[in-house]
Amino acid sequence: AQSVTQLDSQVPVFEEAPVELRCNYSSSVSVYLFWYVQYPNQGLQLLLKYLSGSTLVKGINGFEAEFNKSQTSFHLRKPSVHISDTAEYFCAVSVKETSGSRLTFGEGTQLTVNP
Amino acid sequence: SAVISQKPSRDICQRGTSLTIQCQVDSQVTMMFWYRQQPGQSLTLIATANQGSEATYESGFVIDKFPISRPNLTFSTLTVSNMSPEDSSIYLCTYMSSGGTTEAFFGQGTRLTVV
Repeated sequence: AQSVTQLDSQVPVFEEAPVELRCNYSSSVSVYLFWYVQYPNQGLQLLLKYLSGSTLVKGINGFEAEFNKSQTSFHLRKPSVHISDTAEYFCAVSVKETSGSRLTFGEGTQLTVNP
Repeated sequence: SAVISQKPSRDICQRGTSLTIQCQVDSQVTMMFWYRQQPGQSLTLIATANQGSEATYESGFVIDKFPISRPNLTFSTLTVSNMSPEDSSIYLCTYMSSGGTTEAFFGQGTRLTVV
């Protein structure tokens, strides 16, 4: 079975500062990796995904993530955050070999951007 | 991607009663999933719902407590039975895309408070 660990439950940063939200996964088989964002009182929205190919993945709102197979990590980064990036961020994994496999989520990281 | 609509978007219910949540997708999908997000926590899969067969429940979730229907390829319901305050959560319906990407699309969720 796969698992996901988000290493920081809360990340406070100042506006225009860079940010990295850390995610590590565990799986005995190849996986797909995802980052979702949840704004207050809203559903989940896909930020970006890694399926195969280039290990650097660019998503919406200026976010990017890098897949590192040797370190089993998929950290999310943004070079300069805005107040509007304040939200809960979830890393998720699905197993590659099973069609339509379900997602396993990490515990989430609350990003708070302060002025 | 198909659009997911959930009803109700929120509800406050008395303990001991039951609530049925409806999930409508605007195109046919094979697999639908129900997740629970307890306050301040991540998403936990309740069950997988396929059309024409019994739902498959995850460990810790049982059909008597969370009966699920999947009468066709665009609709599913989740019932939270004999509710207690511990059932207060956001309940999310989702489906996985076809074509090998396994991307999940979420509705806005149903915010349930049990008093």
